[in-house]
Amino acid sequence: NAGVTQTPKFQVLKTGQSMTLQCAQDMNHEYMSWYRQDPGMGLRLIHYSVGAGITDQGEVPNGYNVSRSTTEDFPLRLLSAAPSQTSVYFCASSYANMNTEAFFGQGTRLTVV
Amino acid sequence: GNSVTQMEGPVTLSEEAFLTINCTYTATGYPSLFWYVQYPGEGLQLLLKATKADDKGSNKGFEATYRKETTSFHLEKGSVQVSDSAVYFCALSPLQAGGTSYGKLTFGQGTILTVHP
Repeated sequence: NAGVTQTPKFQVLKTGQSMTLQCAQDMNHEYMSWYRQDPGMGLRLIHYSVGAGITDQGEVPNGYNVSRSTTEDFPLRLLSAAPSQTSVYFCASSYANMNTEAFFGQGTRLTVV
Repeated sequence: GNSVTQMEGPVTLSEEAFLTINCTYTATGYPSLFWYVQYPGEGLQLLLKATKADDKGSNKGFEATYRKETTSFHLEKGSVQVSDSAVYFCALSPLQAGGTSYGKLTFGQGTILTVHP
């Protein structure tokens, strides 16, 4: 199984540009989420979804949009990129159980110049 | 709110040394606790977990015990190897209304471990 697949792996954007980070999972997980990883701050939750058609904000949602039209896909959209969004982004998925592990993608390293 | 605090890093050890990475948490109710590991250039993967007080999670020689009285989940390994060099994250999965976590994890800041031969 592929697990959680993120694309692209690397991206450089200019300030003000928009883009979509793709995330797909093939494990039929109900829950999916997006995190950003910044030095010294661990991972912080951006948005999450508990199923197709249902999304909600996490800790740092400003400047990002999400949608979940299928169980498998959970894209993250940057509406107007800012240098503060330079980060490594991780997508994760899990079954609908608080005790189960989350599976993470390999990450997307985004630089906004 | 929920929070996780890890010991400051980075941590540098010689092979076969004893490892402890401290982790304390703040949460309401009874969260599940996890340690994730991130090897260079990769995503996070689960190292071990504990779901209730006094549970001990273990994997690959690593152990951590869920201590509710001290709100701690310290990671230990008796003899580290060069291949253990990675970033280690302590995390919690809070219990939400309805008995689920909605897949939301709260992470500590991460501890960089480097093991020299």
